[in-house]
Amino acid sequence: EAQVTQNPRYLITVTGKKLTVTCSQNMNHEYMSWYRQDPGLGLRQIYYSMNVEVTDKGDVPEGYKVSRKEKRNFPLILESPSPNQTSLYFCASNRRPPSGTSHTDTQYFGPGTRLTVL
Amino acid sequence: GQQLNQSPQSMFIQEGEDVSMNCTSSSIFNTWLWYKQDPGEGPVLLIALYKAGELTSNGRLTAQFGITRKDSFLNISASIPSDVGIYFCAGLRGNQGGKLIFGQGTELSVKP
Repeated sequence: EAQVTQNPRYLITVTGKKLTVTCSQNMNHEYMSWYRQDPGLGLRQIYYSMNVEVTDKGDVPEGYKVSRKEKRNFPLILESPSPNQTSLYFCASNRRPPSGTSHTDTQYFGPGTRLTVL
Repeated sequence: GQQLNQSPQSMFIQEGEDVSMNCTSSSIFNTWLWYKQDPGEGPVLLIALYKAGELTSNGRLTAQFGITRKDSFLNISASIPSDVGIYFCAGLRGNQGGKLIFGQGTELSVKP
């Protein structure tokens, strides 16, 4: 079954304690992204990756790190979490658009990770 | 960072009514996407629009890519209870295949 998996689904932690949220996709997609969702703000992109070892900042990258060492995995790292990073996080993946077009293939989203930083 | 302006923020309608929501931006987008998010789940793509003026349907859903490339709307006809959820528009500029910008969402409630 084609899917994007995230772990953990729920996490409560304390300020300053480093954490990693894992994301994995089994569809051989080139593109992967991380979003955070907050009430009234919709989804805001944190980081995205267009291929292995290629990552770029989204709209709200401060306080986050990512890595893309393998095509299927795109972990989100919070080196020193703070309460304002309490949010619902989604990982997503999609195929690279055909050359010469901006046609975005269906972006598959993971089930979400609800993070609370105390 | 830039966001799309999506309206309305919420809607409470009776089953069978038609629904309309829209997104506007001060910038041009080359692709407009509409997603639906059910409670406790990630967004799912409903409709993708790639050309200015394009009108595309998916069952009871119809979406249009504005002529100016700065707006898009989504219509749902004859709403049913399972239409409940949050609807998001998203835009993509140029060849930035990974950099989606989302609207704030429209929360739809349907009364049976």
